[in-house]
Amino acid sequence: GQQLNQSPQSMFIQEGEDVSMNCTSSSIFNTWLWYKQDPGEGPVLLIALYKAGELTSNGRLTAQFGITRKDSFLNISASIPSDVGIYFCAGPNSGYALNFGKGTSLLVTP
Amino acid sequence: NAGVTQTPKFRVLKTGQSMTLLCAQDMNHEYMYWYRQDPGMGLRLIHYSVGEGTTAKGEVPDGYNVSRLKKQNFLLGLESAAPSQTSVYFCASRDPQRGRLDEQFFGPGTRLTVL
Repeated sequence: GQQLNQSPQSMFIQEGEDVSMNCTSSSIFNTWLWYKQDPGEGPVLLIALYKAGELTSNGRLTAQFGITRKDSFLNISASIPSDVGIYFCAGPNSGYALNFGKGTSLLVTP
Repeated sequence: NAGVTQTPKFRVLKTGQSMTLLCAQDMNHEYMYWYRQDPGMGLRLIHYSVGEGTTAKGEVPDGYNVSRLKKQNFLLGLESAAPSQTSVYFCASRDPQRGRLDEQFFGPGTRLTVL
């Protein structure tokens, strides 16, 4: 399937800081999904993007579908301790399944 | 609505033992998936099913078998466990007919250790 490369691998920030992470693909996607995994839990969908150039917000989170359709970005503004977790990007690899990136691990200190 | 549930939550096996992980969903979803998650590797697809009675291989199917005898259940079997199968296993389901087309709903995971 298509390779998804997420960066950075991990981030260690202070509460109140803004966060940016991105995901790039070796091929074009028609959909980009961003999931968050809390420690000890399964991933939960945060934002879904369906159109190149689309910018979508969910509270303090904003995600963008890159114009080239080979990348996507997730920003978190004014981070808080409960933002801790692993953030995954994902895209469909066939009609049925998703390819996931390896994740960006976020740690937030009070 | 319980969503996606997984049984058991934790398990320790010895090399060569067998076990079955159970996934159940009450959302009437057609598609179901089994992933494994290892540190630094993200989520890798083991097997998936697009309907009752059908299964297909994912990215890392070796050493696992699956069955989907009922729409709401998806079983993952390890016939002869190996230490390389130590991992956290996640089940997911999806309804391709409505809502956000690609969204998968995940269970809470099963942490398996093979000694």
